[in-house]
Amino acid sequence: GAVVSQHPSWVICKSGTSVKIECRSLDFQATTMFWYRQFPKQSLMLMATSNEGSKATYEQGVEKDKFLINHASLTLSTLTVTSAHPEDSSFYICSAIPLRTVTDTQYFGPGTRLTVL
Amino acid sequence: QQQVKQSPQSLIVQKGGISIINCAYENTAFDYFPWYQQFPGKGPALLIAIRPDVSEKKEGRFTISFNKSAKQFSLHIMDSQPGDSATYFCAARGSGNTGKLIFGQGTTLQVKP
Repeated sequence: GAVVSQHPSWVICKSGTSVKIECRSLDFQATTMFWYRQFPKQSLMLMATSNEGSKATYEQGVEKDKFLINHASLTLSTLTVTSAHPEDSSFYICSAIPLRTVTDTQYFGPGTRLTVL
Repeated sequence: QQQVKQSPQSLIVQKGGISIINCAYENTAFDYFPWYQQFPGKGPALLIAIRPDVSEKKEGRFTISFNKSAKQFSLHIMDSQPGDSATYFCAARGSGNTGKLIFGQGTTLQVKP
């Protein structure tokens, strides 16, 4: 149980285009999901906290107009990288905390590799 | 104060040996300390976690030792296997009930056969 999926697993796009990444909790509901980015051989950097039915909370230094987050349901959050540039190339990972549970566990998706040409 | 410092950056251990990774934190309001394992190109997977009211937790070959007064915690991997070769991240959950995790810098473990 407690599986988080991401789609697509990898994407290549041209500079200036927008890319949408989906994060789904497959067997549980989550009011809170998180989006991270990870550069090669580096740690996970939290970008934003996504709450169902409300605006996302962005970490300092993350451009909210560039990284649009929508958490429309208890099982789906999307991250849209708008007007992508090569410096946005990274590994994007989402995570989710199950709703109405005593667990502290945050479950991570498999990640999405974004390459901007 | 929100940082979690992890060491070493990389570690090479012989098969059957003990792998030890250390983390230190400053914020005493952190209330949950998980360890994640990540293989290349994959998302992190929870290995084991501890709360600050416990000094040690063991699950199979993995043990967390927690020293609240020193604000340090460590992961011990007993009988290390080549399949344990991965990057390990410690993390701490911030205060305020947001669920946000602050990650250490990561340790790349290589277990030699």
